[in-house]
Amino acid sequence: NAGVMQNPRHLVRRRGQEARLRCSPMKGHSHVYWYRQLPEEGLKFMVYLQKENIIDESGMPKERFSAEFPKEGPSILRIQQVVRGDSAAYFCASSPSGGRQPQHFGDGTRLSIL
Amino acid sequence: GENVEQHPSTLSVQEGDSAVIKCTYSDSASNYFPWYKQELGKGPQLIIDIRSNVGEKKDQRIAVTLNKTAKHFSLHITETQPEDSAVYFCAASSNNNDMRFGAGTRLTVKP
Repeated sequence: NAGVMQNPRHLVRRRGQEARLRCSPMKGHSHVYWYRQLPEEGLKFMVYLQKENIIDESGMPKERFSAEFPKEGPSILRIQQVVRGDSAAYFCASSPSGGRQPQHFGDGTRLSIL
Repeated sequence: GENVEQHPSTLSVQEGDSAVIKCTYSDSASNYFPWYKQELGKGPQLIIDIRSNVGEKKDQRIAVTLNKTAKHFSLHITETQPEDSAVYFCAASSNNNDMRFGAGTRLTVKP
């Protein structure tokens, strides 16, 4: 039973390019969460999605960042016109439903901006 | 929104000793408190969780306690082993899916 799958594991982009991070939730999970982690820091909530719906995007920067979770296929976190400060590890988690359900994490995408 | 404070930020213990990590939360509506272990280069792994209708939960060498009145919860690891060395995160959420994480505790178990 595959866990949460994120790809790519490592992504290098130059300033101004676009970064697309993918997350396939665990089988049977319809809720996806994205978090950002800077070195030696905790996880910062970015966005919570269900299939075709954004439920809570209170942690997302207002510009350049967007997320989607289409009816078919993985969830995508998209960062346009990347800057050096976007360098971080981005983690995706999934759960079978909302509320008091455990979130299961992928191993993250390490984004480096040159 | 919820604010979770975690202490200490680093903890070093001798193999076989116990380790305790403490967290406080601000939102009285929070009712779910998971703990995660993160090893280098990996994603956080859920190790134990507790819901607000219980005060204590144990799973082998790991236990979690919850004090709703004081709004704090703790992770206890007994008989620590070198493989327990990792970063541990507490988190708190309510039914609104608003899960917030503490800043993490780097635990080092010395052989």
